[in-house]
Amino acid sequence: EDQVTQSPEALRLQEGESSSLNCSYTVSGLRGLFWYRQDPGKGPEFLFTLYSAGEEKEKERLKATLTKKESFLHITAPKPEDSATYLCAVQVSSGGSYIPTFGRGTSLIVHP
Amino acid sequence: DAGITQSPRHKVTETGTPVTLRCHQTENHRYMYWYRQDPGHGLRLIHYSYGVKDTDKGEVSDGYSVSRSKTEDFLLTLESATSSQTSVYFCAISDGQGALSEKLFFGSGTQLSVL
Repeated sequence: EDQVTQSPEALRLQEGESSSLNCSYTVSGLRGLFWYRQDPGKGPEFLFTLYSAGEEKEKERLKATLTKKESFLHITAPKPEDSATYLCAVQVSSGGSYIPTFGRGTSLIVHP
Repeated sequence: DAGITQSPRHKVTETGTPVTLRCHQTENHRYMYWYRQDPGHGLRLIHYSYGVKDTDKGEVSDGYSVSRSKTEDFLLTLESATSSQTSVYFCAISDGQGALSEKLFFGSGTQLSVL
C-alpha cells in the first residue's frame, strides 16, 4: 500500500495559469514532508521541508503547504522553466532510522 | 552543489554478469542511500547506510548488495544482473542527526541497461 500518493500524474499548463499539485500521505507521526524538483536526466533537487500542519514555505513561484493528511505545491503564474517532475517524500520509520519514501511524482509541462 | 559523484554514468551489461556501481561523496555525511527509478514506480529505496559498515535493506533489496568501508564511498553490487534491473540508479546522501534523516542530496544517476 502506497504511503505517499501524488496527483495528478501529469499536468499541462499554459504560461501564467496557476495550479496546485497534491501529495497525500498515510504515515503516522510525520517527521517531515519534502518536496523535490527533478529535471530530465538529472537527480532530484531539494525544494522544501514541512514539519507540522499549517506550515507554509515559499520559493519564487512555488508555495508548499501542509495539513494533517496532505501537502499542496502551489505554482503561481508558472513559466516554461518550471517544467519538471515534482516529487514528494515523507520519512517512514524503519528500525532505528527514518527513511525517505517517495511518491511517484507529478510531471508538469508549462507551455509558452 | 553537494559533492556526490556516481560512476559509471552509463553502463550496458549482459544478463548474469556482476555489476558494481559506485557513489563517492565529499560532504562527510553520515547517511547514504541507493534508489532506483522506473517509470510508473518512482524512486524506490534499495539499500541505505547509516555509517561505515552499517547498512540496511530498503523496499527493493532482492538481488542487490552494498558495502561501505569508508565514509565517502557506498558501493552497490548486482550479484548477477537481470533484465528487470535495467533502471536509473541514484545515490543520495543526508547528514542525519541521530535517527532523523534530513533532506537528501542526489547524484546525477547511473543509467544501467541489462541485455
